[in-house]
Amino acid sequence: DAKTTQPTSMDCAEGRAANLPCNHSTISGNEYVYWYRQIHSQGPQYIIHGLKNNETNEMASLIITEDRKSSTLILPHATLRDTAVYYCIVRGRHGSSNTGKLIFGQGTTLQVKP
Amino acid sequence: DAGVTQSPTHLIKTRGQQVTLRCSPKSGHDTVSWYQQALGQGPQFIFQYYEEEERQRGNFPDRFSGHQFPNYSSELNVNALLLGDSALYLCASSLGQTLTSQETQYFGPGTRLLVL
Repeated sequence: DAKTTQPTSMDCAEGRAANLPCNHSTISGNEYVYWYRQIHSQGPQYIIHGLKNNETNEMASLIITEDRKSSTLILPHATLRDTAVYYCIVRGRHGSSNTGKLIFGQGTTLQVKP
Repeated sequence: DAGVTQSPTHLIKTRGQQVTLRCSPKSGHDTVSWYQQALGQGPQFIFQYYEEEERQRGNFPDRFSGHQFPNYSSELNVNALLLGDSALYLCASSLGQTLTSQETQYFGPGTRLLVL
């Protein structure tokens, strides 16, 4: 079973920041938080991942709370092309028994509106 | 730098038939994972191959089998197809067995299988 909880859907105005929350209250110390997105009928696209520090790359920022029980993916200036299903996934660290598989939940459908 | 490629893009089969799907990993990657995504659902892990062996397996019957070749490409085989096997089949590649990598998986575009 997925170890994360996400809202089913969210809307965002084009040009505004999209903030996608994720709860992972049972996360353990050796587990990372990964974010992927899937645009209709395409393969999932890797966005970002982190352990405990905030992370930023060219696509997004990942903010992880100090207790690591939740995180937020931030798309700073959403465009219509960011409309997709966003998946938050908790995954074991290299060397643990569960590094192989990604367990996807239902994700959050983000609709960016003009 | 070539990404993950899969073939064919679409496939139609009838119940009871067998199907083989193919995946070429991203350049430099040595590990291939396969996922099944039914309509409206998130992808479900089938299995992962590393060094030509199945390293981890999800909750799928033995009708689902795979293979990895010395060049790291992989095949997914499904025997005795059922209507419920209709889905998008995704391949993901990663670089395994390193001390520093978190083995980020990168997905291909998928193969859409329809079983009639």
